Amino acid sequence: KNQVEQSPQSLIILEGKNCTLQCNYTVSPFSNLRWYKQDTGRGPVSLTIMTFSENTKSNGRYTATLDADTKQSSLHITASQLSDSASYICVVGDRGSTLGRLYFGRGTQLTVWP
Amino acid sequence: EADIYQTPRYLVIGTGKKITLECSQTMGHDKMYWYQQDPGMELHLIHYSYGVNSTEKGDLSSESTVSRIRTEHFPLTLESARPSHTSQYLCASSVNERDSYNEQFFGPGTRLTVL
Repeated sequence: KNQVEQSPQSLIILEGKNCTLQCNYTVSPFSNLRWYKQDTGRGPVSLTIMTFSENTKSNGRYTATLDADTKQSSLHITASQLSDSASYICVVGDRGSTLGRLYFGRGTQLTVWP
Repeated sequence: EADIYQTPRYLVIGTGKKITLECSQTMGHDKMYWYQQDPGMELHLIHYSYGVNSTEKGDLSSESTVSRIRTEHFPLTLESARPSHTSQYLCASSVNERDSYNEQFFGPGTRLTVL
C-alpha cells in the first residue's frame, strides 16, 4: 500500500532556531518527492521537488534531502521566522500511471514563537 | 502565487441544499483535480480531469460530481448537501505532460460547513 508518514505531528520552536521535519514513504514506483507549505485556510504551496536522481534541493531557508534507497526525506528550516508557522506536507508522486498520482502525508504542524 | 481561483472561500448551508464550488485557472493547464481535506488529515483525491470532456473519480468515494466543459473551469457540485460533506475542498491543476515533476498548483480552497 502506498503511504507517506510524517514526523513529528507537531512542533513548536522559537524564532531564529532551526528544525528538521521527517518523511518516510512506501510509494512505488517512485517518481518524485515534494514538500509543500500550507498556511491555515489556504492551499498548499510547493517548496521543493526532487526526482530519484536528486538527493538535496534548497529554496532559500528550506533545504530538502532525499534518500531513495531508504525511502526517507527531510526538510530542514534554517533561522525560523514567525511566517514559517504552517503545516508542512510531504507528497510523493508515482510514475505508474498517466495521471502521475500524488500521495500526501498528514503534515507536520510547525509553530514558531517569538 | 499560482493563477488558480476558488469561490466561494467559505460556505455555510443547510442540509439538502444543492451547491456548486467553482474552480478556475488561467494557466492553460489540461489536468485539473479536486481534493478533500479534513483538519489534520491528508488530502484525498476525489475527482480529476485530463482535459475538456474528461472526468474521472479519484481514490476517495464522493457523492459530488464534476464537469469540464471549458479548459479553465472545473466546477464541483453536490446535489443534496449533508453534514458529512463538511470539509475543505481544494482544486489544483497541472500541465498535461508526463514529465517527472507533474507539479500541481493549488487554489486557496473552499471551507464548506453543512448544518
